[in-house]
Amino acid sequence: DAGVTQSPTHLIKTRGQQVTLRCSPKSGHDTVSWYQQALGQGPQFIFQYYEEEERQRGNFPDRFSGHQFPNYSSELNVNALLLGDSALYLCASSFRGLGGYTFGSGTRLTVV
Amino acid sequence: GDSVTQMEGPVTLSEEAFLTINCTYTATGYPSLFWYVQYPGEGLQLLLKATKADDKGSNKGFEATYRKETTSFHLEKGSVQVSDSAVYFCALSEQDGANNLFFGTGTRLTVIP
Repeated sequence: DAGVTQSPTHLIKTRGQQVTLRCSPKSGHDTVSWYQQALGQGPQFIFQYYEEEERQRGNFPDRFSGHQFPNYSSELNVNALLLGDSALYLCASSFRGLGGYTFGSGTRLTVV
Repeated sequence: GDSVTQMEGPVTLSEEAFLTINCTYTATGYPSLFWYVQYPGEGLQLLLKATKADDKGSNKGFEATYRKETTSFHLEKGSVQVSDSAVYFCALSEQDGANNLFFGTGTRLTVIP
């Protein structure tokens, strides 16, 4: 039973560019949340998707946007990249947001 | 707002030593509390959780008790192993995972043989 799958695992982008990160939730899960984990810090909540709608959002600017597809997979898009966007981006899935989350291994984004 | 304050690290212990990692929280409601572990190069794994006051979560020899009176959820293990070396995160959510998780800054544990 595959867990949460994220791609790519590593990514290097130039300041000002745009990036798309992808997440496939664990089988049976329908809710996807995204977190940003800066080096040496705890993860911070970006947003959560359920039924293809953004259900909750953390304190992140509009440069961060997302999408959920009918198969429950999700994308995180970041526009106009800043150096400070360099971080590990974690995807977590659950069933209707209940009972705890399963985390993926993350995508390491480096902005240069 | 909701927040988690976690014991600063790093922590270095000898194998078979006793472990305590302190965690206190601030929440407006009655949160669920979690400990997650992150091994090098991996995502977060749920270690244990407690959903109401006085509950004790336990897993793999680790334990934590939900103390509402002291707003704490300290992680303990009686005898650590080298394989326990990882970063440990305390977290809360206002419902049992239904709302987003608020994480502490993490505590890096290194266990030496």
